[in-house]
Amino acid sequence: DGGITQSPKYLFRKEGQNVTLSCEQNLNHDAMYWYRQDPGQGLRLIYYSQIVNDFQKGDIAEGYSVSREKKESFPLTVTSAQKNPTAFYLCASEDGGHGKNIQYFGAGTRLSVL
Amino acid sequence: SQKIEQNSEALNIQEGKTATLTCNYTNYSPAYLQWYRQDPGRGPVFLLLIRENEKEKRKERLKVTFDTTLKQSLFHITASQPADSATYLCALDLGSARQLTFGSGTQLTVLP
Repeated sequence: DGGITQSPKYLFRKEGQNVTLSCEQNLNHDAMYWYRQDPGQGLRLIYYSQIVNDFQKGDIAEGYSVSREKKESFPLTVTSAQKNPTAFYLCASEDGGHGKNIQYFGAGTRLSVL
Repeated sequence: SQKIEQNSEALNIQEGKTATLTCNYTNYSPAYLQWYRQDPGRGPVFLLLIRENEKEKRKERLKVTFDTTLKQSLFHITASQPADSATYLCALDLGSARQLTFGSGTQLTVLP
């Protein structure tokens, strides 16, 4: 069953705690992305990686960190420096064939602050 | 700076009618434009892509137009059904940066 798997579906963070959101893909895509979605708003880019062992900051990277040690995995850590982490987090991988940049999304992780 | 605008208000239509959603952009010359569907609590799902040199693209009951002069794309769902109720997002590429920028979406409700 191919696709993007995000876990957990729901996550709660305590004050001062770092939490890590998992994203795994078996689509053999090189590029992967993390977005944040707030109610009634579009997707805002946090970080992206176009190849293993390389990643770039997006528009709202402050308070977040990522790693890309394997092609299949792109975990996102929400650090204690992110003061307003409550949001819906979406991971995507990209089929860049023929210059199309079509993105395939996971089911999302909803993060709340306790 | 770049800006993408979609119908800011929710759109309600009667079953069987054609739904038309609008995506306007400024300060862009995108090579293509994409439309995605997002259901509540789920990730977006790709629907259609239209390139800058294409005027119209169709897929079953879906039709997308792309007017690079007006900097506008229209997304049509013909013979709409309650199952079409969802939020629809448009997305544009940034060319050499190979990133998509998403609009905030239009929430469509098809009433039975």
